[in-house]
Amino acid sequence: DAKTTQPNSMESNEEEPVHLPCNHSTISGTDYIHWYRQLPSQGPEYVIHGLTSNVNNRMASLAIAEDRKSSTLILHRATLRDAAVYYCILSRNDKIIFGKGTRLHILP
Amino acid sequence: GAVVSQHPSRVICKSGTSVKIECRSLDFQATTMFWYRQFPKKSLMLMATSNEGSKATYEQGVEKDKFLINHASLTLSTLTVTSAHPEDSSFYICSARGYDFRDGYTFGSGTRLTVV
Repeated sequence: DAKTTQPNSMESNEEEPVHLPCNHSTISGTDYIHWYRQLPSQGPEYVIHGLTSNVNNRMASLAIAEDRKSSTLILHRATLRDAAVYYCILSRNDKIIFGKGTRLHILP
Repeated sequence: GAVVSQHPSRVICKSGTSVKIECRSLDFQATTMFWYRQFPKKSLMLMATSNEGSKATYEQGVEKDKFLINHASLTLSTLTVTSAHPEDSSFYICSARGYDFRDGYTFGSGTRLTVV
């Protein structure tokens, strides 16, 4: 299964932008890059996904490197409610495998 | 947006009994559903993939006789933990996607199973 590498944890101040990195050097041409986040005792919540081009939605932006070996999830203005574990995942063969994710702490 | 309803949210059962967890896609047809389990402070571990009308595909190390999966319709998949033991206590989460795998996956809110 395609593997992603993320930092274990990150901190950010409230109301500042957050850039969450993800490396996926073994990505194949048909793998989509998905980002989910999970709050304690809840199921993961979809954030954003993309293939090659950068993507924007109301929650976040996804910046994908030209060689697709890395991507960055951008939260434009972090709030306390954005504190969660963020998972970067490659979808391959119709299933998604979770890595360890990045635990994002937001400082008030 | 797409919604997946998972029920129950919490269940406590006695050791040796069986527990059924339901996962429903409310506003879309889910051709494929996934079941995960998650231990405290750990990531989600994929247990099995179920396709409507066919047998589930289990990940390595997951006992198919222990965790029975049924995906009888395009909107419902069930996971039955048979003869539950305390070590089966965990957070179980289902996920569903529609016809196009390029769309995002939608997750249920999870079921906290405690076996006493």
